[in-house]
Amino acid sequence: GAVVSQHPSWVICKSGTSVKIECRSLDFQATTMFWYRQFPKQSLMLMATSNEGSKATYEQGVEKDKFLINHASLTLSTLTVTSAHPEDSSFYICSAKDRGTYEQYFGPGTRLTVT
Amino acid sequence: GNSVTQMEGPVTLSEEAFLTINCTYTATGYPSLFWYVQYPGEGLQLLLKATKADDKGSNKGFEATYRKETTSFHLEKGSVQVSDSAVYFCALRPYYAQGAQKLVFGQGTRLTINP
Repeated sequence: GAVVSQHPSWVICKSGTSVKIECRSLDFQATTMFWYRQFPKQSLMLMATSNEGSKATYEQGVEKDKFLINHASLTLSTLTVTSAHPEDSSFYICSAKDRGTYEQYFGPGTRLTVT
Repeated sequence: GNSVTQMEGPVTLSEEAFLTINCTYTATGYPSLFWYVQYPGEGLQLLLKATKADDKGSNKGFEATYRKETTSFHLEKGSVQVSDSAVYFCALRPYYAQGAQKLVFGQGTRLTINP
């Protein structure tokens, strides 16, 4: 079946530093990838939609200069949390839409802790 | 707008009990409906889906029927197991001929099965 990987699975960083999270579709091509944020015991909040070769579309209230998204190829999207602060600590999940079937497949998530 | 409402959790049952998790939706047109499951510390896995009215999705003993007249997609299982303990998300995908087709999630229902 379709597999989406995320790297790293967990990361701890200091306040003020930047962290990059990768999302890869391993066995299919994804023209569209989605980035979600999940707070403890809460639902997923869509942050942005990433389209291959173009700028990401951010949801209302999400700072695009803080959460940089790049979708450079049909199998890779990256989310960079710039100048991280403790309130950015969260579980970040990506999903990728198969360009052939339109089905979305989710990655395993990345837990970010900012100290 | 599009929205999904799930029954509030947490839900605690004994092994072999019957499970129902209610889900209702608001959407224009004919959305596709999904149930996702999230095990602790992991991303989301698609459990089942239905793409049109009266369709029944089923997987691993779970079932849900797309009821347009009641705008519902309730999740059921006849006999739950301890391994079914997880958070369950109901979601819809609006029908658009074009576009990113973003998923809209319910708030999630935490299920705990006791042996």
